Amino acid sequence: AQSVTQLDSHVSVSEGTPVLLRCNYSSSYSPSLFWYVQHPNKGLQLLLKYTSAATLVKGINGFEAEFKKSETSFHLTKPSAHMSDAAEYFCVVRLIRAAGNKLTFGGGTRVLVKP
Amino acid sequence: EAGVTQFPSHSVIEKGQTVTLRCDPISGHDNLYWYRRVMGKEIKFLLHFVKESKQDESGMPNNRFLAERTGGTYSTLKVQPAELEDSGVYFCASSSGQGLNSPLHFGNGTRLTVT
Repeated sequence: AQSVTQLDSHVSVSEGTPVLLRCNYSSSYSPSLFWYVQHPNKGLQLLLKYTSAATLVKGINGFEAEFKKSETSFHLTKPSAHMSDAAEYFCVVRLIRAAGNKLTFGGGTRVLVKP
Repeated sequence: EAGVTQFPSHSVIEKGQTVTLRCDPISGHDNLYWYRRVMGKEIKFLLHFVKESKQDESGMPNNRFLAERTGGTYSTLKVQPAELEDSGVYFCASSSGQGLNSPLHFGNGTRLTVT
């Protein structure tokens, strides 16, 4: 079985300060991990993915995430928040041995960026 | 290229009525998925089509939900009769393949409210 826990349902940051969104996963096998973002009234957009290559993954819009197997974590970071980063972020795990793309989502973290 | 299109964007119906949601995947994408997010919960997998065949429908909650993909192009998800607990956002996604290099492209979702 696999599961994903996003440790914060809401995060509030000031523009220009770092963003940290925490994610822990549980998986019986080597996982594939993703971060998706959803802006208001928009679809889910892929930010980045980890697929057992480099443990530090760079994504779009300046985001990156580090896979730490010993901590079963895949936290998302950005050095400097922008107003346009206000959105909801989802940590997602896909069992690498499973057929198809049956994704397991975390509960989401809503990010508020203050000017 | 056009993205995944979902219609309608919003639907408000009364308990006991029928609603049909439609999804047009990206042209040429054989894989089509339905996910939903009910209020306060995680986004959950419903089912996966490969062309017109259901590869995995393990997430369908009960027999009030019927998904079809006749001809392997667009898909419909019908809820009949709708119940209050069916309220939420229904997402459709498509992908060209099933491997990790075939990311899911999500639509903007249909927000269903059952009163």
